[in-house]
Amino acid sequence: IAGITQAPTSQILAAGRRMTLRCTQDMRHNAMYWYRQDLGLGLRLIHYSNTAGTTGKGEVPDGYSVSRANTDDFPLTLASAVPSQTSVYFCASSDGSGTGGGPGELFFGEGSRLTVL
Amino acid sequence: GQNIDQPTEMTATEGAIVQINCTYQTSGFNGLFWYQQHAGEAPTFLSYNVLDGLEEKGRFSSFLSRSKGYSYLLLKELQMKDSASYLCAVMDSNYQLIWGAGTKLIIKP
Repeated sequence: IAGITQAPTSQILAAGRRMTLRCTQDMRHNAMYWYRQDLGLGLRLIHYSNTAGTTGKGEVPDGYSVSRANTDDFPLTLASAVPSQTSVYFCASSDGSGTGGGPGELFFGEGSRLTVL
Repeated sequence: GQNIDQPTEMTATEGAIVQINCTYQTSGFNGLFWYQQHAGEAPTFLSYNVLDGLEEKGRFSSFLSRSKGYSYLLLKELQMKDSASYLCAVMDSNYQLIWGAGTKLIIKP
């Protein structure tokens, strides 16, 4: 089934630990994104990648890093988790067919619920 | 700063019509999106407006007025499965998406 796969679905993590959230898409989309979703707030962009080999910082990048070695994979790493990183994380992709080459329709993974204690 | 405003929660009756409003103040405008998100699930795309006017897609319609910084999502013939959060997002002059906090729609029988 085509789409985006995220792993793990849910994780409880001790503060200070390193954690990588995995994201894989099979739609051959160039653009990929990592968002966090917190109660009462809109989705906030953490990092993005417009194409394999390039990444950029979003609105809330501190404490997170990403890599884009190939088109399909876009992992998000928390180097040393803190309780404020407790959130639901969504990976998304787009074929970049929006206005001016911007994001068109975003396709989201099912989310990774992370709790940092 | 950039801002998207939507009501936090709305309640409507099965079979009725509901209008969810979204007002925005952003640095430039390159389109407005509506997404649906059921509880515990991923957002899914509903509509995209870049020109003024009404876009109809089945039971759902989306309206845009760029001069007023305003959009609404209209849902007709409400069904229980329409209970979800509805997210408004605007693409700014840098082609970045700015998201509203979402409107939780509760449908009652």
